[in-house]
Amino acid sequence: GAGVSQSPSNKVTEKGKDVELRCDPISGHTALYWYRQRLGQGLEFLIYFQGNSAPDKSGLPSDRFSAERTGESVSTLTIQRTQQEDSAVYLCASSPTGYTDTQYFGPGTRLTVL
Amino acid sequence: AQSVSQHNHHVILSEAASLELGCNYSYGGTVNLFWYVQYPGQHLQLLLKYFSGDPLVKGIKGFEAEFIKSKFSFNLRKPSVQWSDTAEYFCAVRGPYGSGNTGKLIFGQGTTLQVKP
Repeated sequence: GAGVSQSPSNKVTEKGKDVELRCDPISGHTALYWYRQRLGQGLEFLIYFQGNSAPDKSGLPSDRFSAERTGESVSTLTIQRTQQEDSAVYLCASSPTGYTDTQYFGPGTRLTVL
Repeated sequence: AQSVSQHNHHVILSEAASLELGCNYSYGGTVNLFWYVQYPGQHLQLLLKYFSGDPLVKGIKGFEAEFIKSKFSFNLRKPSVQWSDTAEYFCAVRGPYGSGNTGKLIFGQGTTLQVKP
């Protein structure tokens, strides 16, 4: 079926504004991960969903970051009061059940905070 | 804390040259190891993985990697690169199942490989 999709592909915003990033996982995948990739760096884990619960939020960098997931489908990552250091590519990955599975990545959302 | 270090940030090779990209991790237990690749304009995709067993693992497109536990290393190799191997390569690790591990991946900073035709 279709792969992981993310929207928007690019987002430019002004410092202090809120943004929402969307992830549509592969149908039937119960596990969903968000990562962030800053320029010249590797991917950093942000949050993990199993179904619509988030047992691991350890990577969220501040309380300005939050995420939710509707059932076993769409997830939204929200960044409030964006700062320039939030500029990065935000990647979503899903896997069939979780730990033992390969994670399939989406194309990412490039966020630029001016 | 878990971390992954990739020694080479940018590698330039000519076609048919041999490739070895270094990856070292710090984790005091059993780990799963991965190499992901991102071709220009494409999604990040799995190249190969190691969970257990034979420490020499083979992946897609002729790539292989060797897990050396004593050196905490998982280097990626290919005997003869092609122009189409131009991409960014990421090494990643995750801790063993259980102990609260949720499958999150810890990534290295990536290596950009440029292959000249």
